[in-house]
Amino acid sequence: DAGVIQSPRHEVTEMGQEVTLRCKPISGHNSLFWYRQTMMRGLELLIYFNNNVPIDDSGMPEDRFSAKMPNASFSTLKIQPSEPRDSAVYFCASSFEVGRGYQPQHFGDGTRLSIL
Amino acid sequence: SQQGEEDPQALSIQEGENATMNCSYKTSINNLQWYRQNSGRGLVHLILIRSNEREKHSGRLRVTLDTSKKSSSLLITASRAADTASYFCATDGTQGGSEKLVFGKGTKLTVNP
Repeated sequence: DAGVIQSPRHEVTEMGQEVTLRCKPISGHNSLFWYRQTMMRGLELLIYFNNNVPIDDSGMPEDRFSAKMPNASFSTLKIQPSEPRDSAVYFCASSFEVGRGYQPQHFGDGTRLSIL
Repeated sequence: SQQGEEDPQALSIQEGENATMNCSYKTSINNLQWYRQNSGRGLVHLILIRSNEREKHSGRLRVTLDTSKKSSSLLITASRAADTASYFCATDGTQGGSEKLVFGKGTKLTVNP
């Protein structure tokens, strides 16, 4: 079975450019999570969706970040304009949730983003 | 804000030895999960322990939970070089949202052959 698929695996771009990260969750999963991982701050939850609806975006750092989930099999995280401090590894994870966090989350292998 | 805090930050052992990692958290939880992350890869779920459980086993893994001390430990027995990875605890919290997990900063385990 295919796991969570993220693209691209690596992205290097210049400050000010728009960056779009993509995620395909595991088929049948109803929750999708976007995380950011840095050495300084560890793994931070940015936003999560349940049944394609954003439930909690309190972790989104600022208005430059936006996320969408147009259907159950696709989500994007967009940064516009990008800044060097956005450099991090961004993970997407999915799960099939029936209650309060009783199910494991399945992670993709991440997008390593470098903003020059 | 960080809920789980792992201890130690880094651990280096020889193959065959046991590895113990600890996690402390601040608020009440429904469950606590442990994940492993190999270098350059995503996190992989290892084991989940519910708040009404005290101990759980899975293969060479043993997890304990002490809700009175708000702490958990992960024991890997008879470690192998392939166990080299970072290990994270994650808690859900009983307040606020449902599926949210809060991860600690992890313990980096190195198992030397």
